Amino acid sequence: DAGVIQSPRHEVTEMGQEVTLRCKPISGHNSLFWYRQTMMRGLELLIYFNNNVPIDDSGMPEDRFSAKMPNASFSTLKIQPSEPRDSAVYFCASSPPGTHLYNEQFFGPGTRLTVL
Amino acid sequence: SQELEQSPQSLIVQEGKNLTINCTSSKTLYGLYWYKQKYGEGLIFLMMLQKGGEEKSHEKITAKLDEKKQQSSLHITASQPSHAGIYLCGAGKGAQKLVFGQGTRLTINP
Repeated sequence: DAGVIQSPRHEVTEMGQEVTLRCKPISGHNSLFWYRQTMMRGLELLIYFNNNVPIDDSGMPEDRFSAKMPNASFSTLKIQPSEPRDSAVYFCASSPPGTHLYNEQFFGPGTRLTVL
Repeated sequence: SQELEQSPQSLIVQEGKNLTINCTSSKTLYGLYWYKQKYGEGLIFLMMLQKGGEEKSHEKITAKLDEKKQQSSLHITASQPSHAGIYLCGAGKGAQKLVFGQGTRLTINP
């Protein structure tokens, strides 16, 4: 079975441009998470969805960041306008439904974003 | 807020040696996860611990959660080059959210 799929794997853009990152969770998983990883701050949760509904977006840095999940098999994270400090690796993860509060999260390979 | 401290931040060991990585929390841990990350790749789930005193093993990797549920250790026996990478501990922060430690970078020298 395919794991979590992210695209693109690498993105280089100029400051001020719009960036869209895409994620396809594992089929049957009902929770989806967007993380950002930097050397300075480590791995941080930006937002997560449960059954396509955003549950907690308190980690989203500012209004320039937005995320959507129009259906169970697709999510986007958009940055508009992008800034150099947004350069990081962005991970998408999904987890299956279950009785445990903290189910295992399956991570995608990440998108390495560089904003010049 | 829940914060996780990992130690050491980096570790270089000779192939075949044993090693231990620690993860400490200022609060009680409810669900402690260990993940491994290789450069340019996502995180691979290793183990999850829930109960105080719990211990789990996978191949040559053993993880323990102390009785007070505030510290976990990851022990690798007879390390191999395939064990190299970044090890991260993660803990539940309420309602499915996980907070992660800064990671421990492990290098295995032949």
